[in-house]
Amino acid sequence: ETGVTQTPRHLVMGMTNKKSLKCEQHLGHNAMYWYKQSAKKPLELMFVYSLEERVENNSVPSRFSPECPNSSHLFLHLHTLQPEDSALYLCASSQVPGGTYEQYFGPGTRLTVT
Amino acid sequence: DQQVKQNSPSLSVQEGRISILNCDYTNSMFDYFLWYKKYPAEGPTFLISISSIKDKNEDGRFTVFLNKSAKHLSLHIVPSQPGDSAVYFCAASAKTGTASKLTFGTGTRLQVTL
Repeated sequence: ETGVTQTPRHLVMGMTNKKSLKCEQHLGHNAMYWYKQSAKKPLELMFVYSLEERVENNSVPSRFSPECPNSSHLFLHLHTLQPEDSALYLCASSQVPGGTYEQYFGPGTRLTVT
Repeated sequence: DQQVKQNSPSLSVQEGRISILNCDYTNSMFDYFLWYKKYPAEGPTFLISISSIKDKNEDGRFTVFLNKSAKHLSLHIVPSQPGDSAVYFCAASAKTGTASKLTFGTGTRLQVTL
């Protein structure tokens, strides 16, 4: 148990659907992250929120829309996705400024776009 | 261009022997390095880290070595146990003013055999 939970664990959606992924951290951290893991690729950082302000967006398509209502919750809103968006989406949290840079990950949401 | 590389996609080691996982990086601005372990259907779990001002960090059976001149780090697991079978990710971070930004390698799958 890492203290970071994600729901749902699995999601199948059509290209015209709208869905949301949810992440919650119980570690008292003040920064949260969304990553994408595709097969045989490194984890790709999508969004970073620090102190509830978005500080980084690594040129992610607008069909992905993050929301961070408070330091414990993070959402990823999905709409009109493409089949190539099928991947494992991981949420992580950390304490900043930290000095040690460790991030703690949730179990991920396995997304399949049909 | 991948800044963190794990050139061995897989490694098989006998139980009780040493496992050595390698990682190379190209960005000389990286100043902190981490290893994560990932089991199927779980998120990555933080294992051990090292600051660029050190060349070795040890935690129980796990030791990380850093060779800054070669831009190379390695994770040693001694003795290897069947429960160590997992995918191991190397990650690196550069100092930022806000949230920690990790760059990951593609991972090495370790299989510890009986």
